[in-house]
Amino acid sequence: KQEVTQIPAALSVPEGENLVLNCSFTDSAIYNLQWFRQDPGKGLTSLLLIQSSQREQTSGRLNASLDKSSGRSTLYIAASQPGDSATYLCAVGGAGNNRKLIWGLGTSLAVNP
Amino acid sequence: EPEVTQTPSHQVTQMGQEVILRCVPISNHLYFYWYRQILGQKVEFLVSFYNNEISEKSEIFDDQFSVERPDGSNFTLKIRSTKLEDSAMYFCASNTQGPWGYTFGSGTRLTVV
Repeated sequence: KQEVTQIPAALSVPEGENLVLNCSFTDSAIYNLQWFRQDPGKGLTSLLLIQSSQREQTSGRLNASLDKSSGRSTLYIAASQPGDSATYLCAVGGAGNNRKLIWGLGTSLAVNP
Repeated sequence: EPEVTQTPSHQVTQMGQEVILRCVPISNHLYFYWYRQILGQKVEFLVSFYNNEISEKSEIFDDQFSVERPDGSNFTLKIRSTKLEDSAMYFCASNTQGPWGYTFGSGTRLTVV
């Protein structure tokens, strides 16, 4: 059974720092991996999608990497800003037809001005 | 950019009452999903729907739950007799056939009192 773990659970940093959020999963037979952002009490915003055959994806200040064989993904946030404060969720898409997502608990990020 | 629309954004109901949560997925998507997130917990898969039938459901999705796509555009989740523990944020999502990620709606916060 796929399990997804995110470390750290919470992170508080001053503005401008570069950050690394970690996601690990137990079953390497995945279809893809997505990183989401969730603001308090709000919905799920997709940030980056990495297919199982890819190593990384980039969007602006965000870069996500995937090492399927070791069951790890990292989300790198460059030059963090207070507006980046949110919870970041990692979700692994299964290899079956339904590609249901299995989620981590998230990393709660606070970027202080 | 196409969106997944969910209504209502917030619903309060009394224990034992029936509720229907509504979703309008992206029109050319083929796979439809419901997920839920109890406060402070992981997002959990409930059910996937493809070709007008349930393709997979989780252990959570018991006889109290049902889904329908009544008119080719709406996708509904019905909870027949709500319990206190059904209080959660419910997310609808859709997906195409292909290596794309999910698009999520903004969620319905269900509060059972």
